[in-house]
Amino acid sequence: DQQVKQNSPSLSVQEGRISILNCDYTNSMFDYFLWYKKYPAEGPTFLISISSIKDKNEDGRFTVFLNKSAKHLSLHIVPSQPGDSAVYFCAASGRRGADGLTFGKGTHLIIQP
Amino acid sequence: DTAVSQTPKYLVTQMGNDKSIKCEQNLGHDTMYWYKQDSKKFLKIMFSYNNKELIINETVPNRFSPKSPDKAHLNLHINSLELGDSAVYFCASSQMGGRTGEAFFGQGTRLTVV
Repeated sequence: DQQVKQNSPSLSVQEGRISILNCDYTNSMFDYFLWYKKYPAEGPTFLISISSIKDKNEDGRFTVFLNKSAKHLSLHIVPSQPGDSAVYFCAASGRRGADGLTFGKGTHLIIQP
Repeated sequence: DTAVSQTPKYLVTQMGNDKSIKCEQNLGHDTMYWYKQDSKKFLKIMFSYNNKELIINETVPNRFSPKSPDKAHLNLHINSLELGDSAVYFCASSQMGGRTGEAFFGQGTRLTVV
């Protein structure tokens, strides 16, 4: 039973355009939502997160939007750059942080020159 | 200076063997984790451990056991390895009560059981 879902296995975007990655969740008790970036043969790297009490968080080219009523969040990258090509994982954590993160299956973002 | 380091990066071993993967973090975090990424690329929590409690994902076979000699280390021991244990194992750490819920990950250990 997947509590965090990323329904697009891959996404191709032209360099300079906006990349939008989507994530849905089912558990209303999640406290934080996070995005991680992963290159092959490396561990996931934290990108940006958002608290469940907010609806937007911005950090440079990266913005995460949270729609609690729809149980949906999205990551916007603008402008997209070649170095953004990677697998992006959506993750969520509960109030008890020791339970760890629940991950989606990932979306492979490919930035076309 | 790597924040979360795990060794070895690659491990090939025969069925039935016992093996260990080591993990160390130099971030001063109070909680460490082991995650498994299977062939379908799902990343799933196996264990979390801080100085107060060990939380075990109920789906993890008891052949897997975490051992923490101190706050900075959480090693993973696997007994009687099976073909299905082949996966990439990630160690991670975080600070309880942190503002972002963020965890830092190691580079992963690709375990292949033959």
